[in-house]
Order: sequence, then structure tokens, then C-alpha cells
Amino acid sequence: AQKITQTQPGMFVQEKEAVTLDCTYDTSDQSYGLFWYKQPSSGEMIFLIYQGSYDEQNATEGRYSLNFQKARKSANLVISASQLGDSAMYFCAMREASGNTPLVFGKGTRLSVIA
Amino acid sequence: DGGITQSPKYLFRKEGQNVTLSCEQNLNHDAMYWYRQDPGQGLRLIYYSQIVNDFQKGDIAEGYSVSREKKESFPLTVTSAQKNPTAFYLCASSIRRDRGDGYTFGSGTRLTVV
Repeated sequence: AQKITQTQPGMFVQEKEAVTLDCTYDTSDQSYGLFWYKQPSSGEMIFLIYQGSYDEQNATEGRYSLNFQKARKSANLVISASQLGDSAMYFCAMREASGNTPLVFGKGTRLSVIA
Repeated sequence: DGGITQSPKYLFRKEGQNVTLSCEQNLNHDAMYWYRQDPGQGLRLIYYSQIVNDFQKGDIAEGYSVSREKKESFPLTVTSAQKNPTAFYLCASSIRRDRGDGYTFGSGTRLTVV
């Protein structure tokens, strides 16, 4: 069964600094997708970035990049030049290709950006 | 604009009552999902549906029921059998079942037992 582990319940970062949010996963499938979502205090879920297991390059979307290390089964989110608006919960999620399985989420990391 | 609408935003339930949370999408998405969110627990899957008139249980289906009579609608009923229903409920949809297809989420319903 697939599983997502986020070991950092909370993180602090200074404004304009970079921060890395950790995510490790467990799956027996060779084909899978990894996602990161942001949840502000309003509760909405905002898609940030996607990485496929066969993608050779790490995904990037603006200030977000995904540090994908397949052998270590890790998919860490890197946020560059943090802004106050980045303060939120961040969830890592995974979807296996076989069996049409739904997304499985980690428990999340609460990021607080300090001015 | 297309999207997912969840209603109501806030819902209060008395002990022993059934309540139904609404989820409607106009994205023409095939699959729809219900997740429950508790502090420190992340999102846990309650039910999901890949096609009309079919749905599967998730990890925490006990005390909940769903229906999928129309492609656009996937209501969730929290029954009196759910002993601890106070939580934030999120509905989502996706266009296909490929691994690269992420979700579109609704804005959530916060349910409180009074």
C-alpha cells in the first residue's frame, strides 16, 4: 500500500530565504505521480507542482521546485525567496498508476514565514 | 467559470442527526472524491466515485454514505453512526484516472456537532 510521510509538523523561515519541506513515500509501483498542495487558513487546496516517476528532470513551477530522489523515495518541495503569503499548510500526495487509486496525502507541514 | 461548489460552508449537527453535504462540479470530470481533514491528520479518504452509479469505500467510510446519480453531483451523508463527525470535509474531482491528473478541490464544509 502506498504511504506518504511528512516528518516536519511545523517549520519557520525568514522572509526571502529558501525553505525545504520534506516528503518521503512508499510504493511498490514503478509508475506513480507525486503532488504538492498548499492550504492557506481559508481551507482551499491549491495545486503547486507535479512530478512523474519517469520524469528525468525535477519539476519546477515559478518559485517552487521538487527535489525528486527516486532511489531514496523522497520528493521534497523547495520554496525559494519565501514570502509572507507562503505561510500555510503544505501537503505531499501520491497517486499510483495501477488500479486507478485516489491520491494519498501526508499529514502536512505548517510553514510560517517570518518578516 | 468551471469549478466545484461545496455547500454549506458551515454546518451544525445535533447528536443523532443525519446531515448531507453537497458537492457539485461543472468541469465534466469523471471522478469525484470525499476527504475528511482533522488537525494533524492530513486528508483521509472517505469515498470516491470513478463513474456514475458506482463508488468505492475509502479508508474511513464507516458512518458515511454517498450516491452518484449524476456526473456533476456527489453528495455525502454523515449518519448518526459516525461517532465523531466534527471535521473539515473536502470534495474533489479529477478528469481522468491517469497518475498525472491532480484534483480540483471545493472550498470545503466545516461540520460541527452541537
